Amino acid sequence: GQNIDQPTEMTATEGAIVQINCTYQTSGFNGLFWYQQHAGEAPTFLSYNVLDGLEEKGRFSSFLSRSKGYSYLLLKELQMKDSASYLCAVLYMDSNYQLIWGAGTKLIIKP
Amino acid sequence: DADVTQTPRNRITKTGKRIMLECSQTKGHDRMYWYRQDPGLGLRLIYYSFDVKDINKGEISDGYSVSRQAQAKFSLSLESAIPNQTALYFCATSDRGLTLTSTDTQYFGPGTRLTVL
Repeated sequence: GQNIDQPTEMTATEGAIVQINCTYQTSGFNGLFWYQQHAGEAPTFLSYNVLDGLEEKGRFSSFLSRSKGYSYLLLKELQMKDSASYLCAVLYMDSNYQLIWGAGTKLIIKP
Repeated sequence: DADVTQTPRNRITKTGKRIMLECSQTKGHDRMYWYRQDPGLGLRLIYYSFDVKDINKGEISDGYSVSRQAQAKFSLSLESAIPNQTALYFCATSDRGLTLTSTDTQYFGPGTRLTVL
């Protein structure tokens, strides 16, 4: 089956920059999402990439390389409220609809 | 008001009981989904529905059933609950993208925390 890999946990300092990586199997790829999820809350949409390159949205940017099966989420000027899990999800389209979710990366921000 | 609502928000039940979780949305989306989330695992799709007459099994449908009563309502049933169905359950909706770069972004309800004793 399709597998999404992302680090389990990362730690960063307030005000710094952090990059969260996501790798996936490329066959049938149809788009990649990043979501933010605070503990005990619902995931909320951050970004969507379907073409190669960097998408910038304020302090958050997301990059995609389809040939390498690789994406990253870049968070700049980290704030304490950015402490959350970041979920990578890949949409595959073959005979069935498949949105496969990574287990998420727990980001801990320290003062 | 929230666009996607789930009831109940918390539920404790016993093994063998029938449980229904309900989801309603005011976003006008055609597509609705039920997921479960367990610690250390990604969201796993239980069932999805692309319109009122369309119901599809997801990755882990065994032990679950669904009903799409209307465009805005999608309910999940556990016919005979078992302890390993203890999890956080999310309902989500999305609007079908029509162009190469448009998205099928999913919008989630607040979740139902279900405990089966």
